[in-house]
Amino acid sequence: LAKTTQPISMDSYEGQEVNITCSHNNIATNDYITWYQQFPSQGPRFIIQGYKTKVTNEVASLFIPADRKSSTLSLPRVSLSDTAVYYCLVMDSLSGGSYIPTFGRGTSLIVHP
Amino acid sequence: DTAVSQTPKYLVTQMGNDKSIKCEQNLGHDTMYWYKQDSKKFLKIMFSYNNKELIINETVPNRFSPKSPDKAHLNLHINSLELGDSAVYFCASSHLGEYEQYFGPGTRLTVT
Repeated sequence: LAKTTQPISMDSYEGQEVNITCSHNNIATNDYITWYQQFPSQGPRFIIQGYKTKVTNEVASLFIPADRKSSTLSLPRVSLSDTAVYYCLVMDSLSGGSYIPTFGRGTSLIVHP
Repeated sequence: DTAVSQTPKYLVTQMGNDKSIKCEQNLGHDTMYWYKQDSKKFLKIMFSYNNKELIINETVPNRFSPKSPDKAHLNLHINSLELGDSAVYFCASSHLGEYEQYFGPGTRLTVT
């Protein structure tokens, strides 16, 4: 199974752009990368997914270099409500269309006023 | 309007007891999951069911037995509870092959 490594914690201030990088050196050819957000006492919430290059949605952008051994989640202009734990996942593909989601330990982002 | 619900939200019990956690989703998904999150926030998948059939069983002790009576429900039964079983258990669901999973609010299990 693919293993992910990301910083344990990050601090930022309101209005700044935050970039969280995750390394996944043994990612397989068919594996996708996803990011989830988790607030205290809640279940994780899907943010974004990608396979390569750049993906953008209304919440974040995901940058994946050509070798796909890392990925960077970019949160533009964070606010206090973005304080949460962010998980990088590699989705290990299985036959039949299923996959094994491998969560890392997450990055605890604290946004300061 | 709750998408994925779990009961109970909190569960405090003694070692050796047997307990169950229930999960229901009303999203029409065909795949459901159970995760365990420890005190250090490490989230690990335990089981995955697709259309009531087990597709993932990640080295979980036999004391844990998932049961899926239908596509909308995946219950978790735990026998002979141990101190190390204390954690938050999350249920989730998705369409088969889709990476966006919807998580329930979690069940905090405390074994004393």
